[in-house]
Amino acid sequence: EADIYQTPRYLVIGTGKKITLECSQTMGHDKMYWYQQDPGMELHLIHYSYGVNSTEKGDLSSESTVSRIRTEHFPLTLESARPSHTSQYLCASSVNRGPLLEKLFFGSGTQLSVL
Amino acid sequence: GQQLNQSPQSMFIQEGEDVSMNCTSSSIFNTWLWYKQDPGEGPVLLIALYKAGELTSNGRLTAQFGITRKDSFLNISASIPSDVGIYFCAGPDFGNEKLTFGTGTRLTIIP
Repeated sequence: EADIYQTPRYLVIGTGKKITLECSQTMGHDKMYWYQQDPGMELHLIHYSYGVNSTEKGDLSSESTVSRIRTEHFPLTLESARPSHTSQYLCASSVNRGPLLEKLFFGSGTQLSVL
Repeated sequence: GQQLNQSPQSMFIQEGEDVSMNCTSSSIFNTWLWYKQDPGEGPVLLIALYKAGELTSNGRLTAQFGITRKDSFLNISASIPSDVGIYFCAGPDFGNEKLTFGTGTRLTIIP
């Protein structure tokens, strides 16, 4: 059973606010990912990490930033939120090696609404 | 980058009906994955396929890895209400480091 947690589940904030979306996993996975998903649409990779102190930008350009100071923690930050940032943000992690390398375990997501 | 197109985009069926959906790619994949996303949740892995021609079942779900390695199919037999959701195909990039997700098929069961 996957143990990956995201907080908050829902966030409604005003334009210009700084926000941090939290993601933690207790499986010891080195690889972690952030996906952005509009309602009912496909998932777009915005950030990923291979391990501590490693962060890379994904396929979809995003104004958010991430950090990976600890293996289990991969927070995403928006310095100044805008209505265009309204979306669902999904965090995921994957096992480190072997045939399960490509299998992702997802958190429940954070639904962000910027007014 | 790689693109995965799923069809149909949405399906409206009655309980008990069988369901078929497919996923096509602009490039070859060595692995195909099928995920299901319930409303308000993250996707959950249903089936993984690793060889061209492979046919794998998980309960009422059956998935196939296309011979051309550019497509995959998912079938659900005797649908039930909990099958409602969005089904995504996915495949790893060439370095096997990131997953590309398909456009999704939304399944709705009509009472």
